[in-house]
Amino acid sequence: AQSVSQHNHHVILSEAASLELGCNYSYGGTVNLFWYVQYPGQHLQLLLKYFSGDPLVKGIKGFEAEFIKSKFSFNLRKPSVQWSDTAEYFCAVTPGGGSYIPTFGRGTSLIVHP
Amino acid sequence: SQTIHQWPATLVQPVGSPLSLECTVEGTSNPNLYWYRQAAGRGLQLLFYSVGIGQISSEVPQNLSASRPQDRQFILSSKKLLLSDSGFYLCAWRKESGELFFGEGSRLTVL
Repeated sequence: AQSVSQHNHHVILSEAASLELGCNYSYGGTVNLFWYVQYPGQHLQLLLKYFSGDPLVKGIKGFEAEFIKSKFSFNLRKPSVQWSDTAEYFCAVTPGGGSYIPTFGRGTSLIVHP
Repeated sequence: SQTIHQWPATLVQPVGSPLSLECTVEGTSNPNLYWYRQAAGRGLQLLFYSVGIGQISSEVPQNLSASRPQDRQFILSSKKLLLSDSGFYLCAWRKESGELFFGEGSRLTVL
């Protein structure tokens, strides 16, 4: 079975700082990769996803993530964070080939100070 | 457009009482449906998933059960709640593209 590791459980930044949240997965085959975000008081929503093609994917609100197959990683980045990026971020992996069971990481709580 | 709704949003129940959380999806047919429990610092734990009416797969043995009486309805139940059942429960449906759409969540407190 696949697993997902998010190494940063709590991150605190000031506005305009750069962000990188780590995500590593363990699965030997083809994977579909996702980042979800949960803003305070709101439901979980998709931030970005990777299925195939360009390993650098861009999502909403200026976020991007890079799939590095050799490192089994899918790190989330944003060059300059805003106070409104305060949220919890979850990385998720689904094996390719029609599987429908996503596995989530434990999440990273991001607090951005104005 | 597709929507997903959960209710109740908040529930406070005594130990030993029954539970029923409902989830309904609109705007799609034969969706894959999921129940997750979210605990602080522990991410999302998959409890049950369903690929069709009457088809339920359990990921973690515990005091909960799930049912899918209709195509777009998914119910999470318990006959007798435990203190450890307290948590935030999320229903989701899976788009063909693979991403999940989540409901608003149901916060259960067992006293």
